[in-house]
This record gives sequence, structure tokens and C-alpha cells, in this order.
Amino acid sequence: DTGVSQNPRHKITKRGQNVTFRCDPISEHNRLYWYRQTLGQGPEFLTYFQNEAQLEKSRLLSDRFSAERPKGSFSTLEIQRTEQGDSAMYLCASSPGVAGEQSSYEQYFGPGTRLTVT
Amino acid sequence: AQTVTQSQPEMSVQEAETVTLSCTYDTSESNYYLFWYKQPPSRQMILVIRQEAYKQQNATENRFSVNFQKAAKSFSLKISDSQLGDTAMYFCAFRNTGTASKLTFGTGTRLQVTL
Repeated sequence: DTGVSQNPRHKITKRGQNVTFRCDPISEHNRLYWYRQTLGQGPEFLTYFQNEAQLEKSRLLSDRFSAERPKGSFSTLEIQRTEQGDSAMYLCASSPGVAGEQSSYEQYFGPGTRLTVT
Repeated sequence: AQTVTQSQPEMSVQEAETVTLSCTYDTSESNYYLFWYKQPPSRQMILVIRQEAYKQQNATENRFSVNFQKAAKSFSLKISDSQLGDTAMYFCAFRNTGTASKLTFGTGTRLQVTL
């Protein structure tokens, strides 16, 4: 078990470009989350998957953001037409659990992808 | 909507001493979970301790313990016998018991452990 991995670890892009990040959760985890963390702040929830189904999206996730989790394994987060305000650390987390089950399962975080938009 | 407040942006403690980090939250729910996460410099976030709101007993994990005051909506973290490796950002987080299970974080407290 290598934990949650994220690629790339760092991304510098010019305003207006599209970027895509990848998250590989812990293999047996059904739940996958994306958070965004700006400097000096705690992580803010973006979206959540139960297997391949995207069950919740924050209003922080504008139309320029899209996330997928095909086949319920890895997930991608794409940002189109990046803006300087998108500069942040994008964190992925996973946890076990099945649909409809309430639990206090821990969310395991990846190292994050730091995005800088110039 | 739930909110989590950490009023101490930075704290410092000497090695082997005890330090307490504060956290308050606001919710209308009666059952929920509370967590403290640690984020060392340039490293990923890890869970330090968790508390179920329906449990009256305060959670303890080795040198880490919490003081959970449900009526006051307060959830402080006590670190005993502080070690240099405890230097990190500490985030308090709230989670409903619903299946959405997203975490709501505070703004964090930067803890520096000194010799």
C-alpha cells in the first residue's frame, strides 16, 4: 500500500491554458475527494465520488472545473482557461466505505498538486 | 452550513512541554465527527485524532488528547511532551455523519516546537 498519489506534484501554467491533475487513491477505497488549499487557509471541499459516481460538488467548482473517476479507480481534475485565482494546492483524499453507510472512516490525503498560474 | 474556527494562527512551545490548540465549531447537527489533522512542512496531511460527538469520553492517542465540550462546541487538542517532529500546521475539521462525508476545515494553527 503506497498511499494516495497525485501527479504532477507541481504545475506552472500560463493564464488561459488548460491543466489536468491525476489522483490515484488507495486501491480498496471507494470514496474519493478533491479539496483546494490556498496559502494560509485550510483545505476547502471541491467534489466527492462514491466509486465512479460524482455525488456532490461544491459551488467553488465553477464551470471551468470538471472531475471524473472512470471505472471508480483513479480520478482526474481538469481546469479549463486557468485564471490566477486558481493558483492553489489541489489535494486528493480517499477513504473506504460503501454507499449509504455512515462511518467515521479516516480520509487519507495525497501530497497534493501545487498549481501556479502566471 | 458548518463552520470551524481556529483563533490561534501561530503557537510556539519548547520541547517536552505541553501545548493546547483551540478549535470551535458551529453546527445544528447533534451527531457528527471532529478531527485534528497535522500537515508537516511540504508533507501530506495525516490524521492525529478523531472524536465522535455521541461519545462523552475524550479521545486520546499517545501524547495527543482532546478536550471535547459539546455544549460549548469546543474541541481543543493537547500535545504533551512536545517533540521537534510535532512542528507542523494543525487543522481542526468537522464532518457530518451523512454519507456525503466531506470535511470542513479551520484555517489552521502553525505550531513550532523549539529546543
